[in-house]
Amino acid sequence: NAGVMQNPRHLVRRRGQEARLRCSPMKGHSHVYWYRQLPEEGLKFMVYLQKENIIDESGMPKERFSAEFPKEGPSILRIQQVVRGDSAAYFCASSSTQGNTEAFFGQGTRLTVV
Amino acid sequence: KQEVTQIPAALSVPEGENLVLNCSFTDSAIYNLQWFRQDPGKGLTSLLLIQSSQREQTSGRLNASLDKSSGRSTLYIAASQPGDSATYLCAVYNNDMRFGAGTRLTVKP
Repeated sequence: NAGVMQNPRHLVRRRGQEARLRCSPMKGHSHVYWYRQLPEEGLKFMVYLQKENIIDESGMPKERFSAEFPKEGPSILRIQQVVRGDSAAYFCASSSTQGNTEAFFGQGTRLTVV
Repeated sequence: KQEVTQIPAALSVPEGENLVLNCSFTDSAIYNLQWFRQDPGKGLTSLLLIQSSQREQTSGRLNASLDKSSGRSTLYIAASQPGDSATYLCAVYNNDMRFGAGTRLTVKP
């Protein structure tokens, strides 16, 4: 079991471009969470997804940000028209069920907007 | 809305000391509480998971307790070592997983 895999590890985008961040959960996990971490700050919840469903997106900005977790393939966090303030580390975590089992994190994607 | 607070924000101790990190949360209707460690520039490593029906969990030099009714958890680290230096984060799960801001621990040789 390779654990939670995030790619790319580092991503540089110019202002106005799109950023696509991928998260492959652990085998057998159907719950995915996305978090954003600014330097020297804690993790801020963005979105919680199950396969093909968004369960809670209360932490995700209404514009430019979207997330999906298709039936096949990784979960994608998409940021359109990136701005400098989007520069952060983005982490995803997965778990096998809702709440009762341990969550495991990926190594994160560090997005830099120049 | 669940609010998670960790105290202290930073802690520096000499090697060998026992120490306690605190986590409090506002909504006691949680499924579980999980403690993580994060090294600078790295991802999160799970340390301990406490189910809502449990009162504590132990792993090596780490012991985590949970008092759900008062909305508190503590992480006890025995005989601290320089390698324990990291940021420690607690996360509580009810409808989703919410984090505290972390405690940055420095253990001096």
